[in-house]
Amino acid sequence: GESVGLHLPTLSVQEGDNSIINCAYSNSASDYFIWYKQESGKGPQFIIDIRSNMDKRQGQRVTVLLNKTVKHLSLQIAATQPGDSAVYFCAENTGTYKYIFGTGTRLKVLA
Amino acid sequence: ETGVTQTPRHLVMGMTNKKSLKCEQHLGHNAMYWYKQSAKKPLELMFVYNFKEQTENNSVPSRFSPECPNSSHLFLHLHTLQPEDSALYLCASSQDAGGPSGELFFGEGSRLTVL
Repeated sequence: GESVGLHLPTLSVQEGDNSIINCAYSNSASDYFIWYKQESGKGPQFIIDIRSNMDKRQGQRVTVLLNKTVKHLSLQIAATQPGDSAVYFCAENTGTYKYIFGTGTRLKVLA
Repeated sequence: ETGVTQTPRHLVMGMTNKKSLKCEQHLGHNAMYWYKQSAKKPLELMFVYNFKEQTENNSVPSRFSPECPNSSHLFLHLHTLQPEDSALYLCASSQDAGGPSGELFFGEGSRLTVL
């Protein structure tokens, strides 16, 4: 079936290093993708999004890359900070209100 | 004030109780959603309302009963729940469920524990 998955359940990075979180999707018709950050005890928070007519989008310290050929999405966080520690998950939109979410990757920032 | 507000934040109930979760969005959106988040599982869509009309019921058991009196408010009525229903229930909103894809704005969630 259609699914969105993550390659690593937990990612530990040193403070100041760059983080890369990956996501695979299987629906080639998906036209919109979102990365969310969820801190402990809080709801998911929008980080960045990208549409299928783009392959890269940059925000403040974050970059999302979309490779439609291999159905791969990645989130890059530059100069990772302790406040970046959270669970990150991607979501793909397959039409109207249909969003498929991944299980999430826990990012741990080491001091 | 956050865009999407959920109450209560924590709820403990017995299997025979009746309780309700409330969600309010202050973003002027037309679509509202209920999602269930269980440990180590992806977010599961439960219900979608667009312009107060239910457009999706994702095979949710009848012990969960949604109500959407207007585009700003969404309720989830709970009755005779099971322990496996314990989870974080997230409310979300978006501009229009039937329009161009846009981001979902989530509330902080209601942590439900069924004893």
